[in-house]
Amino acid sequence: QVQLVQSGAEVKKPGASVKVSCKASGYTFTSYDINWVRQATGQGLEWMGWMNPNSGNTGYAQKFQGRVTMTRNTSISTAYMELSSLRSEDTAVYYCARIYDSEDYWGQGTLVTVSS
Amino acid sequence: QSVLTQPPSVSAAPGQKVTISCSGSSSNIGNNYVSWYQQLPGTAPKLLIYDNNKRPSGIPDRFSGSKSGTSATLGITGLQTGDEADYYCGTWDSSLSASYVFGTGTKVTVL
Repeated sequence: QVQLVQSGAEVKKPGASVKVSCKASGYTFTSYDINWVRQATGQGLEWMGWMNPNSGNTGYAQKFQGRVTMTRNTSISTAYMELSSLRSEDTAVYYCARIYDSEDYWGQGTLVTVSS
Repeated sequence: QSVLTQPPSVSAAPGQKVTISCSGSSSNIGNNYVSWYQQLPGTAPKLLIYDNNKRPSGIPDRFSGSKSGTSATLGITGLQTGDEADYYCGTWDSSLSASYVFGTGTKVTVL
């Protein structure tokens, strides 16, 4: 069965970077784009960007341009999302998701807390 | 601040019907397919409707979607306590460097 398993919670100081991983299993990793979506506590969903694991091509939301980098390691079927210059407003649960046509699979979410 | 506007909340008694609107523009809803997601408390979102009005396998036909112009609507009939959740519309927006956008979200309460 398709699974996306994310790395554990992180606590970071303002100005630092965080790298969240998303390990895929149950399907051919390079066949589907991976999206990253975040959600601050009590707030709505916010799309951050996508990555094609086959080509490595990416597309980022304008808000995160210059601060986010999405990469992958195809040998271990893992996607990564790195966010730099963290500020308190980046405190949120970060999800990876495979959404294509009628199917969607989401990671369990990774809580990133930014606090001094 | 999302470019897709939804009502913050809707409510109805069990068995009744609710509709949730999602208002956008020609750069998003007007020219792209709309999806709807359900997010139960403490869980990841789940796809309810895709391509405006199609239901993934396993989604009951109590859930329906429609689109007209630059707005979309999610309908839930035969409301159940298990439907109490947050609902989000989503679509691509060509004016924002081809970004995906979610609606502001709607909390459905079963009275």
